Amino acid sequence: DTGVSQDPRHKITKRGQNVTFRCDPISEHNRLYWYRQTLGQGPEFLTYFQNEAQLEKSRLLSDRFSAERPKGSFSTLEIQRTEQGDSAMYLCASSLGDRPSGNTIYFGEGSWLTVV
Amino acid sequence: SQQGEEDPQALSIQEGENATMNCSYKTSINNLQWYRQNSGRGLVHLILIRSNEREKHSGRLRVTLDTSKKSSSLLITASRAADTASYFCATDAWNSGGYQKVTFGTGTKLQVIP
Repeated sequence: DTGVSQDPRHKITKRGQNVTFRCDPISEHNRLYWYRQTLGQGPEFLTYFQNEAQLEKSRLLSDRFSAERPKGSFSTLEIQRTEQGDSAMYLCASSLGDRPSGNTIYFGEGSWLTVV
Repeated sequence: SQQGEEDPQALSIQEGENATMNCSYKTSINNLQWYRQNSGRGLVHLILIRSNEREKHSGRLRVTLDTSKKSSSLLITASRAADTASYFCATDAWNSGGYQKVTFGTGTKLQVIP
């Protein structure tokens, strides 16, 4: 069990550029989540996949944001035309969705984005 | 939107003392999970308590859940300087779309003074 892996850990980009983050969930975890966290705040839900299906998107996820999970394995989160307000830590998490009452959700170390 | 709210927002105690943090939420839940986050790091899972459970223990951690009051508490006994971190509760609940959604509270920042 290697845990949830995120890449890159840090990204500095100029306003207007596109960035992509990758998340590798724990093997066999069929649920994958993306959250965004700014300083001093709790993680805010962005989107959620069950296998390859994107089941929910927060209204925080504007048209500039897109997430995919091809083949139900790794996931990517792309931000187009970045703005300074996108500066945050982007957290990926995964869980095994085999119980109606839910299971432990494991988080990666996050990807820090700074838009200058 | 944040489902849970932690209380207090910040807590400062001496090493060896107990620390209690509370979490209140708004809707019916499947489970509630507590996480620890050191500055600039990811979230570390501490404990999960299901809606049909009232209390769970893990080492120096004790979690209670009162679904009638929609609240949970996390007790850390015999605190250590290494416990200094932010603590978050997260609720797992069915949303209107029929999917399970996990939302976080605003966190309690704990400082343990050596």
